[in-house]
Amino acid sequence: DAGVTQSPTHLIKTRGQQVTLRCSPKSGHDTVSWYQQALGQGPQFIFQYYEEEERQRGNFPDRFSGHQFPNYSSELNVNALLLGDSALYLCASSPQRGSPAGELFFGEGSRLTVL
Amino acid sequence: KNQVEQSPQSLIILEGKNCTLQCNYTVSPFSNLRWYKQDTGRGPVSLTIMTFSENTKSNGRYTATLDADTKQSSLHITASQLSDSASYICVVSRDTGNQFYFGTGTSLTVIP
Repeated sequence: DAGVTQSPTHLIKTRGQQVTLRCSPKSGHDTVSWYQQALGQGPQFIFQYYEEEERQRGNFPDRFSGHQFPNYSSELNVNALLLGDSALYLCASSPQRGSPAGELFFGEGSRLTVL
Repeated sequence: KNQVEQSPQSLIILEGKNCTLQCNYTVSPFSNLRWYKQDTGRGPVSLTIMTFSENTKSNGRYTATLDADTKQSSLHITASQLSDSASYICVVSRDTGNQFYFGTGTSLTVIP
């Protein structure tokens, strides 16, 4: 049973460019959440997708957008990259319904470096 | 306001020693509390999950406690090993579904 998979694992971009990160949730999970984790900090919630719609959003600008596909996989898009966007981007999946409540599995993350 | 606070921010201990990490939360209504271990540059991995009715849960050398009345949890690590060096994150979820609140983590360094 594959867990949460993310791609790419590492990437380097320059300021102003755009990036797309991808996530496949754990089997049986239909909800995907994205987090940004700067070096030495805890994960910061970006947004959550369920039934192909953004259900919750953290305090991130509109440059951060996402999408969820019918197979529950998800993409995170960041436009007009800034140096401060350099971080580890984590994807987590969970079941919207079912037990145990609060089950949350993380992928290994995508390390984005903006030069 | 729903918040999760962890202490200490960082900790250095000798290999073989025990340590205890703390997590205080104000999340309500409470559903469950998880402790995650995160190695540098990797994704967090779940250590334990505790619901309202559980006071203690163990996973090998890791033992988590929960006091739902005082809204406090601790993670006790016994006989620490070098591989325990990591960040430990406390995550609390609300009883209304997929809402998770993260602590800022405790960075643990185990030295020989």
